[in-house]
Amino acid sequence: GAGVSQTPSNKVTEKGKYVELRCDPISGHTALYWYRQSLGQGPEFLIYFQGTGAADDSGLPNDRFFAVRPEGSVSTLKIQRTERGDSAVYLCASSSGPLLTGELFFGEGSRLTVL
Amino acid sequence: AQRVTQPEKLLSVFKGAPVELKCNYSYSGSPELFWYVQYSRQRLQLLLRHISRESIKGFTADLNKGETSFHLKKPFAQEEDSAMYYCAPRPGANSKLTFGKGITLSVRP
Repeated sequence: GAGVSQTPSNKVTEKGKYVELRCDPISGHTALYWYRQSLGQGPEFLIYFQGTGAADDSGLPNDRFFAVRPEGSVSTLKIQRTERGDSAVYLCASSSGPLLTGELFFGEGSRLTVL
Repeated sequence: AQRVTQPEKLLSVFKGAPVELKCNYSYSGSPELFWYVQYSRQRLQLLLRHISRESIKGFTADLNKGETSFHLKKPFAQEEDSAMYYCAPRPGANSKLTFGKGITLSVRP
């Protein structure tokens, strides 16, 4: 595709439910990042993939959050037992750099609302 | 602790006025610094990086290591510059990009 694609664009769920957010990076980009943006804040780093492996997951807030990228392309961010505090816009970005270099290309984000 | 600070949340100026969006960082070593911008209903995108030392859309940013600042400047603001601007340092080539809280620039006609 022409850019980073994220689905769903909006997700409303109830507290305690399980949620999956999908990211389809720019074709050929080896690096993929997840950020979370709460109202009035800048994007907060969650996890970074280089290929299939998570190179840095230091930003994941707790073990309810997990992300995978099994074939080195599409990535899924999984949130278990959602809490109201998880409500935010989840941004995905990809980069062509083999390491954490280069320009990040962002998707439009998935807005998660936990009721 | 490593930190990036954008001290102002909003800057409102008239068209043609100079603009300075402040960014201060506290990182050891030689961080790389970036400015990202998000226009209304658009994606977050790179505006410029200090390594390139370039001017993009009339904006420039100089890395001041003594003051640990990377302020974004433009001599004459245009209405289309209205957007959210984020300063983003990276401690090193193998480090993640960290974003400040951002500043809303509003340019009035």
